Amino acid sequence: DAMVIQNPRYQVTQFGKPVTLSCSQTLNHNVMYWYQQKSSQAPKLLFHYYDKDFNNEADTPDNFQSRRPNTSFCFLDIRSPGLGDAAMYLCATSRSGGGDTQYFGPGTRLTVL
Amino acid sequence: GEDVEQSLFLSVREGDSSVINCTYTDSSSTYLYWYKQEPGAGLQLLTYIFSNMDMKQDQRLTVLLNKKDKHLSLRIADTQTGDSAIYFCADLFSGGYNKLIFGAGTRLAVHP
Repeated sequence: DAMVIQNPRYQVTQFGKPVTLSCSQTLNHNVMYWYQQKSSQAPKLLFHYYDKDFNNEADTPDNFQSRRPNTSFCFLDIRSPGLGDAAMYLCATSRSGGGDTQYFGPGTRLTVL
Repeated sequence: GEDVEQSLFLSVREGDSSVINCTYTDSSSTYLYWYKQEPGAGLQLLTYIFSNMDMKQDQRLTVLLNKKDKHLSLRIADTQTGDSAIYFCADLFSGGYNKLIFGAGTRLAVHP
């Protein structure tokens, strides 16, 4: 059973054209995360939500925004994608904070033309 | 900032044991994780270890933690071709809320 679902799996956008990536979860977890993973690099946390409380990483560019309209869904908005934003975007969830395990979705691979 | 480092590549023969090593800098680390990533897929949690443990075994997987040297290893016994993947070590960063710091990943290639 899919627990963390990401749509679409592959997304192609044009330079500067806004794009939205979607994540949903069936685990009823309180925390949802967005990671960026560039080719052959470590996943890097962009931000996370604890319930409705948004927590941005200090080095996340302003170009990246997120919305969490309800417990199940979380969106990543890239306002003006650049070539350097091409990456795999991974969504994860955890029951709460601390050492609770993070469960990852399959990722969305973003290509910027 | 805190850092996690891994060797980038490991090649083993099918049936042998694989040992993937990781070092980290977070002196207050509480949890350390191993994730597996197959081509085009997300991250699958393999196992984790709490910082007050020095060893954890789970079927073919053995995790060793040397907290003094900040060294973590993952041993896979009887490695199979299905184990070919990228393995990520991750530290639950003590200075931030539930933030995982990942290494760059070790690509494990299993050959006959």
